[in-house]
Amino acid sequence: DVKVTQSSRYLVKRTGEKVFLECVQDMDHENMFWYRQDPGLGLRLIYFSYDVKMKEKGDIPEGYSVSREKKERFSLILESASTNQTSMYLCASSFPTSGGMTQYFGPGTRLLVL
Amino acid sequence: SQKIEQNSEALNIQEGKTATLTCNYTNYSPAYLQWYRQDPGRGPVFLLLIRENEKEKRKERLKVTFDTTLKQSLFHITASQPADSATYLCALVSSGYSTLTFGKGTMLLVSP
Repeated sequence: DVKVTQSSRYLVKRTGEKVFLECVQDMDHENMFWYRQDPGLGLRLIYFSYDVKMKEKGDIPEGYSVSREKKERFSLILESASTNQTSMYLCASSFPTSGGMTQYFGPGTRLLVL
Repeated sequence: SQKIEQNSEALNIQEGKTATLTCNYTNYSPAYLQWYRQDPGRGPVFLLLIRENEKEKRKERLKVTFDTTLKQSLFHITASQPADSATYLCALVSSGYSTLTFGKGTMLLVSP
């Protein structure tokens, strides 16, 4: 079974803090994704990566950066957390497009920025 | 503009009945359409994938149809159970793209 783990289930940070969210997958997937999910807005793609050291902006990259130094690990960084970044953050991984892009999600990190 | 629409109102049905959820899309040419289940506070879980050249796919009590003319997918759960209560998301992959676009999901509530 594919396993995607995220470093924290719940996180409380203060405005202006630098926040690191980590995601690890154990299935040797090339693609990894970061989403945020908010009520009424659904899942929105922040960044994705299709290879080590590669990254692509999603629909809402502003205020975020990412790092992928190893194939199994994809980190999301909030350079200076703001209250409007309070959200549920979900990481996912998948094989490339030929596999139908089926995505496997982690359990999510619920981030509260005060 | 591209849109994926799922009924925002929750669907309430009785145990044993068939639940039918709808996913409509505009301005997409999807190569694949997928359905996911999401429980409160958890990540989505993949259920079924259907390709653009397939009309129907089944897996146990689940059935998905895909009509590219109507630009619609229907997701059926037969003999529904309270444990099927969750939010169901549809997602599209367009040809030549490497990302999924998700609908906002429909909540299903199955009462005993």
